[in-house]
Amino acid sequence: ETAVFQTPNYHVTQVGNEVSFNCKQTLGHDTMYWYKQDSKKLLKIMFSYNNKQLIVNETVPRRFSPQSSDKAHLNLRIKSVEPEDSAVYLCASSWGTGGYTQYFGPGTRLLVL
Amino acid sequence: GQQVQQSPASLVLQEGENAELQCNFSTSLNSMQWFYQRPGGSLVSLFYNPSGTKQSGRLTSTTVIKERRSSLHISSSQTTDSGTYLCAMEPGYQNFYFGKGTSLTVIP
Repeated sequence: ETAVFQTPNYHVTQVGNEVSFNCKQTLGHDTMYWYKQDSKKLLKIMFSYNNKQLIVNETVPRRFSPQSSDKAHLNLRIKSVEPEDSAVYLCASSWGTGGYTQYFGPGTRLLVL
Repeated sequence: GQQVQQSPASLVLQEGENAELQCNFSTSLNSMQWFYQRPGGSLVSLFYNPSGTKQSGRLTSTTVIKERRSSLHISSSQTTDSGTYLCAMEPGYQNFYFGKGTSLTVIP
């Protein structure tokens, strides 16, 4: 049963445009994450957000920013997309870190032309 | 360098055969998890297993902390087991590293 929802499923855009992806979890979790999965299927964590504390992977370009209205939502904004941003973006949530199971959404596939 | 090494990269099995997937870590870890990713689908958590052995149905995970490795054993494989198996480690607070995955194909 899906409990982490992502929209859109798929998005095609041009270099330089701004995009925003939505993520909502209905599990009552207090920690949410954004991951990027590249064409080689390698998953890398981008952000984690817990009780208004944001932890950023230092390799994430500044054009990426997470946006949260409440603990059930963590959106991802890309200010000016680049070709290398083409990937699948996965959102996840958990009760916390250090041993809590993460629940993933279905992902948003981004194609930058 | 790569923090998490998974092997084999891919594996083809006849239905009913067993599989052993390996995950090796280059640093000490706080926790680790095994995930399953359906072809074109999302991730499903299989095990949180920072140490010792855990079993769920036909799946068994064994983590040996001092040797910095974890394994996932699939017994009596089924075609529905086909997909990618990923391991991830958490060396510190809210910092996760994933392996590149093992692509498993089970043929009838």
